Amino acid sequence: GQNIDQPTEMTATEGAIVQINCTYQTSGFNGLFWYQQHAGEAPTFLSYNVLDGLEEKGRFSSFLSRSKGYSYLLLKELQMKDSASYLCAVRDDGRIGSRVDYKLSFGAGTTVTVRA
Amino acid sequence: DADVTQTPRNRITKTGKRIMLECSQTKGHDRMYWYRQDPGLGLRLIYYSFDVKDINKGEISDGYSVSRQAQAKFSLSLESAIPNQTALYFCATSGKQASGGYTFGSGTRLTVV
Repeated sequence: GQNIDQPTEMTATEGAIVQINCTYQTSGFNGLFWYQQHAGEAPTFLSYNVLDGLEEKGRFSSFLSRSKGYSYLLLKELQMKDSASYLCAVRDDGRIGSRVDYKLSFGAGTTVTVRA
Repeated sequence: DADVTQTPRNRITKTGKRIMLECSQTKGHDRMYWYRQDPGLGLRLIYYSFDVKDINKGEISDGYSVSRQAQAKFSLSLESAIPNQTALYFCATSGKQASGGYTFGSGTRLTVV
């Protein structure tokens, strides 16, 4: 099984930077995803890390350390529209016979509020 | 049209009623999933399917059943709804590429009274 922890809430000011941490303990690991979810809407894909290091994509960056079971999502130049929940998800590749059992386990999400 | 379509979007039902939530996709993905989302608990896996003949239980399958009618369709049923099944339900699909993650449907908000 998976144990995935992230902070419940964070608040930041427009234009600032916020870092959302995620720690995980897994029986199997084959990648970590970050999703953004606005209230009442579906999660949307932000990033994927499978190797250690930093992946940068515009204002958003994601970091992974597999040895520490740790990831973070960095949001720069915050805008009001970035107010949302951010979900950390770990890919758990179990096996059923010879088949790779691909599924994601999610943390509870971090609600980020951006204030003017 | 959306890649992953869920119906209905909202539903209020009474305790003890049977209800079906439907999901269809145009992504051509083999893998389909049903999750429920509750405040403070995040997304939890109910059932998943890797092809039409394959159904697997997730971490919270009790009280639910599924049907994979075709590659593009995956339905979730609550045989006898109870109030603690009130939640936001998401269908998701994934392809074979490891980095692709999930494509989610828009969700079904279910209230059991």
